[in-house]
Amino acid sequence: NAGVMQNPRHLVRRRGQEARLRCSPMKGHSHVYWYRQLPEEGLKFMVYLQKENIIDESGMPKERFSAEFPKEGPSILRIQQVVRGDSAAYFCASSRGLSYEQYFGPGTRLTVT
Amino acid sequence: EDQVTQSPEALRLQEGESSSLNCSYTVSGLRGLFWYRQDPGKGPEFLFTLYSAGEEKEKERLKATLTKKESFLHITAPKPEDSATYLCAVQAEGQNFVFGPGTRLSVLP
Repeated sequence: NAGVMQNPRHLVRRRGQEARLRCSPMKGHSHVYWYRQLPEEGLKFMVYLQKENIIDESGMPKERFSAEFPKEGPSILRIQQVVRGDSAAYFCASSRGLSYEQYFGPGTRLTVT
Repeated sequence: EDQVTQSPEALRLQEGESSSLNCSYTVSGLRGLFWYRQDPGKGPEFLFTLYSAGEEKEKERLKATLTKKESFLHITAPKPEDSATYLCAVQAEGQNFVFGPGTRLSVLP
């Protein structure tokens, strides 16, 4: 049973470009979460999605960031017009439900030059 | 506001030297407390879930306990491969996970 998959693992973008991060949840999981982690800092919640629905986006900046989890295909975190401050590791997690343990993917390390 | 703190920030142990990591939390209506291990450059790996005060879970050299205000992760006779950052997270009723900053554990041979 494959775990949570994320791609790409590393992404380099110039300021002003768009970054697209993909996440495929574990088989049987319909709840997806995105987190951001800066060096030497903890995980910060960004957004929680179920298929075709955003449940909680309270941790996501209102501008330039968006997320989706379509009926078919992976969840996507999109960052438009990236800035240097967006450089971080972005982790996706999935679970069977809100109160269940979350399983994490390997992360995407975004570098903005 | 829900808060999670972890102590110590960093801990160095000799191989075989047992110790405990602390996770303190303030949350209304705890649904669960979760422990994770994170190795450098990797995603967090799930270890334990604790749901109620008095509950204990064990896995190899690790044992997690929970009270109404804190959780401890006890490491018995650690080995160098136990070196990692240990994260705890709490979940309140209907809320998302709130992670602590982690404890960086180094076990020296």
